[in-house]
Amino acid sequence: DSGVTQTPKHLITATGQRVTLRCSPRSGDLSVYWYQQSLDQGLQFLIQYYNGEERAKGNILERFSAQQFPDLHSELNLSSLELGDSALYFCASSATGTGNQPQHFGDGTRLSIL
Amino acid sequence: GQNIDQPTEMTATEGAIVQINCTYQTSGFNGLFWYQQHAGEAPTFLSYNVLDGLEEKGRFSSFLSRSKGYSYLLLKELQMKDSASYLCAVGNYGQNFVFGPGTRLSVLP
Repeated sequence: DSGVTQTPKHLITATGQRVTLRCSPRSGDLSVYWYQQSLDQGLQFLIQYYNGEERAKGNILERFSAQQFPDLHSELNLSSLELGDSALYFCASSATGTGNQPQHFGDGTRLSIL
Repeated sequence: GQNIDQPTEMTATEGAIVQINCTYQTSGFNGLFWYQQHAGEAPTFLSYNVLDGLEEKGRFSSFLSRSKGYSYLLLKELQMKDSASYLCAVGNYGQNFVFGPGTRLSVLP
């Protein structure tokens, strides 16, 4: 158990819809990362937050947005969903987000767009 | 920019030793990480190298040469459960990690 909690585990929805994925980091970790992993593909970095502030942005689409709340949990919002958005979405956390500490991953949310 | 290269696939036999290589180019290097990921599951942290040399942890060892931009993960006494993808990731002073494409290892009986 990594200590990172992601909900829901599975999500099935239709094209054009909007969903919210939730992540609670490990106790004491201030930084949260979001990744997308399509079938048999590598991890694509989406965005990083540190203590409520956006720190780094990767290949995140404009239809996607995220935020980190004062209690440090984070949400990833995906809107105007397309078939190609079907993927595993992982959240990871680390203590300081400075690149010299390991990230610990949640079990992911599997998003299926029908 | 940053670039990380790993072999796409490798095959080895149960009980053998396998070495998975990773080469990288980055600025502001702050450490190299190895993760294991079974299909459909979350990546799990295996090792961290920030200084040159070999770090050993049970059946797994990881090596780093910063001057060559090179690392490898060595797996000894392979078991069937070691069949997984192995991800090399570089941390930098900038802000984030960069993950390599991963090496899919198949362990055969």
